[in-house]
Amino acid sequence: EVQLVESGGGLVQSGGSLRLSCVASGFTFSSYWMSWVRQAPGKGLEWVANIKQDGSEKYYVDSVKGRFTISRDNAKNSLYLQMNSLRAEDTAVYYCARTRTGYYGMDVWGQGTTVTVSS
Amino acid sequence: NFMLTQPHSVSESPGKTVTISCTRSSGSIASNYVQWYQQRPGSSPTTVIYGDNQRPSGVPDRFSGSIDSSSNSASLTISGLKTEDEADYYCQSYDSSTHVVFGGGTKLTVL
Repeated sequence: EVQLVESGGGLVQSGGSLRLSCVASGFTFSSYWMSWVRQAPGKGLEWVANIKQDGSEKYYVDSVKGRFTISRDNAKNSLYLQMNSLRAEDTAVYYCARTRTGYYGMDVWGQGTTVTVSS
Repeated sequence: NFMLTQPHSVSESPGKTVTISCTRSSGSIASNYVQWYQQRPGSSPTTVIYGDNQRPSGVPDRFSGSIDSSSNSASLTISGLKTEDEADYYCQSYDSSTHVVFGGGTKLTVL
């Protein structure tokens, strides 16, 4: 079964850091672009970052540039999001998602992990 | 960068047909594929349309997607509405730098 499982969310103070992890199973992780997408409480989906299969290309939404870093370890079938200088507006459910090859859309989503930043 | 604009909400009766629009603010809607996601309360999103008009396996043919260059918009049409279709629907595309863009979402009520 194709599956993505996120972890690492929690409550953190403004200015603090968290590292999210996402473990993939059931498919060849190293063959896919991967993304992080977040959803603030009661709000819509917001793309955060994505990363190429070999990690050579990374892209970010402007609001997290310089604060968040996406990375991956293909040997461990894992995707990461290092989040520094967290702000209240980063409070959200963070989803790990696989990118459908050739379409730049997400075809597999994790269950999400919740990040709460207290001010 | 561009924006994708969706209506905040739509409602229709069971058995009827509803169409949700997604208008691109700049650049051609036909330049980059459009995807549509369904999100039920408390659940992760799932894909109902990818590549403008392709249905993933398991998605009923009541769901269809299209693009209209004249209005620079994409549309998701759901026919034969069922109460289980009640959910939030998001369109999504991307720009030339592979930056992903989501629409604001549309709440579909089936009443």
